[in-house]
Amino acid sequence: DVQLLESGGGMVQPGGSLRLSCAASGFSFTTYAMSWVRQAPGKGLEWVSSISGRGDDTDYADSVKGRFTISRDSSKNTLYLQMNSLTAEDTAVYYCAKHTRSTVVTRTLDNWGQGTLVPVSS
Amino acid sequence: DIQMTQSPSSLSASVGQRATITCRASQSISTYLNWYQQKPGKAPRLLIYAASRLQSGVPSRFSGNGSGTDFILTISSLQPEDFATYYCQQSYNSPLTFGQGTKVEI
Repeated sequence: DVQLLESGGGMVQPGGSLRLSCAASGFSFTTYAMSWVRQAPGKGLEWVSSISGRGDDTDYADSVKGRFTISRDSSKNTLYLQMNSLTAEDTAVYYCAKHTRSTVVTRTLDNWGQGTLVPVSS
Repeated sequence: DIQMTQSPSSLSASVGQRATITCRASQSISTYLNWYQQKPGKAPRLLIYAASRLQSGVPSRFSGNGSGTDFILTISSLQPEDFATYYCQQSYNSPLTFGQGTKVEI
């Protein structure tokens, strides 16, 4: 079975940084693109970033471009999201999700992790 | 960016009733439309992809149709476990965008 397990969330001050991880198992990690999607408390879903299976193509929402960096380590089957210059508007549960194909343009997310909460507050 | 608008925002229904949720895209997206279910405190779950294709393991009471700008998710006979929030999502282009959600309540 596909399993995605996020970690790294926690309280951070405005202007601070945090790195989220998503450990993947149960599938060939490099065969599939991956994404981060977030959900502010009581709100809907917002796509954050995607990365191709090989890691050679990335895409970002305008709201995080220049502040967040997505990456993946095939040797560890792990997806990352480096988040810098955090603001209160970044407060959310962050989910990692698996695409159905290797490219970022296949924007269907068929498996999701349980999420990790990132509160940004002083 | 393509805006996705769902209606209604919430609906009340009984077990056994039929539920219909509409999603409208701000421009044509062919059939690049997915539906997800989310229960409180849980991750979203893919139900329908490519507008009408049932994801593996999803009960056949869920169905989707539509193309272009207008799409519908139908639950033919609501079961207790179907009370949740449903989101549509366009996979036509970047940025990937979701509807605001429809909460299905008892």
